[in-house]
Amino acid sequence: ETGVTQTPRHLVMGMTNKKSLKCEQHLGHNAMYWYKQSAKKPLELMFVYSLEERVENNSVPSRFSPECPNSSHLFLHLHTLQPEDSALYLCASSQPFGGGTGELFFGEGSRLTVL
Amino acid sequence: TQLLEQSPQFLSIQEGENLTVYCNSSSVFSSLQWYRQEPGEGPVLLVTVVTGGEVKKLKRLTFQFGDARKDSSLHITAAQPGDTGLYLCAGAPGAYKYIFGTGTRLKVLA
Repeated sequence: ETGVTQTPRHLVMGMTNKKSLKCEQHLGHNAMYWYKQSAKKPLELMFVYSLEERVENNSVPSRFSPECPNSSHLFLHLHTLQPEDSALYLCASSQPFGGGTGELFFGEGSRLTVL
Repeated sequence: TQLLEQSPQFLSIQEGENLTVYCNSSSVFSSLQWYRQEPGEGPVLLVTVVTGGEVKKLKRLTFQFGDARKDSSLHITAAQPGDTGLYLCAGAPGAYKYIFGTGTRLKVLA
């Protein structure tokens, strides 16, 4: 596989459930991102990891918990979500340093619906 | 708070028409990118501009970065149905922080 892969593509969960979104990048990049895309808002940056260290946490509620076990994998653990958390969650990777262009490579997204 | 405002928000045009999308901010960016997102997919990079006043062309698409590096425009000549999608500008105030614009949803009718 190439690029950035996200699973699952669609997820429906109740407010008391616990679920996780997974992202895997096959590009050898050293930075990975979670973005939230809602219908009437710009893409919102949630978390950034560089070389497995979290470098950005954009005031995201604690019901969202990121995990980056290695430079190729990124998870977003979800628990006790609210209906307003329903959105498309996009994972991206980039190579900001070492000759990279800074381009963000996105996965296809995980469409989350919270009932 | 750094914001990128895009206009228009929605645009529906006939095939063959020309159009311009604007991306404006009160902040200076070291670089600015344009992405296109199609339904069911993530955004895909079209271009990166880094120098004030820079103009880049990608086939029928022309991108310009403002002299003060606060704004940018995307001009499409002779639009085609394949140009349909959500166009997003993104500024990078830091190495890891990409701020996205409000988006322009374009529909080109055959």
